[in-house]
Amino acid sequence: DIQMTQSPSTLSASIGDRVTITCRASQSISSWLAWYQQKPGKAPKLLMYKASSLQSGVPSRFSGSGSGTEFTLTISSLQPDDFATYYCQQYNTYPYTFGQGTKLEIK
Amino acid sequence: QVQLQESGPGLVKPSETLSLTCSVSGDSISNDNYYWGWIRQPPGKGLEWMGSIYYSGSTYYNSPLKSRLTISVDTSRNQFSLRLSSVTAADTAVFYCVRLTSNQEGRYYYYYMDVWGKGTTVTVSS
Repeated sequence: DIQMTQSPSTLSASIGDRVTITCRASQSISSWLAWYQQKPGKAPKLLMYKASSLQSGVPSRFSGSGSGTEFTLTISSLQPDDFATYYCQQYNTYPYTFGQGTKLEIK
Repeated sequence: QVQLQESGPGLVKPSETLSLTCSVSGDSISNDNYYWGWIRQPPGKGLEWMGSIYYSGSTYYNSPLKSRLTISVDTSRNQFSLRLSSVTAADTAVFYCVRLTSNQEGRYYYYYMDVWGKGTTVTVSS
């Protein structure tokens, strides 16, 4: 199975900060990577697919990059609604696998 | 706008079978652009893909669950279902049903989860 490793596990930041979350795959997944945002008690929400494609309705302050084994999710200017847990997920190969999550907290 | 809704018992006894149904509205489950699947999340933990199904009945399962898991589709009811047998406390989780949409590259299709149900909590306990 392809292992997905996110860093950091927890990130403390302030409103207006630029933050970056990294996701590494244990083998190449080309660009077949999605990012999800999850708030407590809610279902995950798709943010990005194919590494850098923004899902419809997602604010443009979110961006994704990378290919192969290393990927990033960047929030250009943190808003109060962005404090949540973020997961990466590869869909290159079955079984689909997720990173362990990055919890974005208010500093 | 497509919506997915999970339903089923919130409490299941150890060694019994957990059964959940996902009702799809706003789109046909027979739409050949999509797969449909199940994700689970144990309390306080991360997400695990369990398996996916196409409207034709073609399935993919996560290997650790393969011997206990069955995912089926009922196109007449626009629903798909999950059955997980011989459950233990380790199967306690929030279960999400999802729609998977494809990216195409050449003759290959790659599916990501674009629509999620709200989730349903299942506790395994006597």
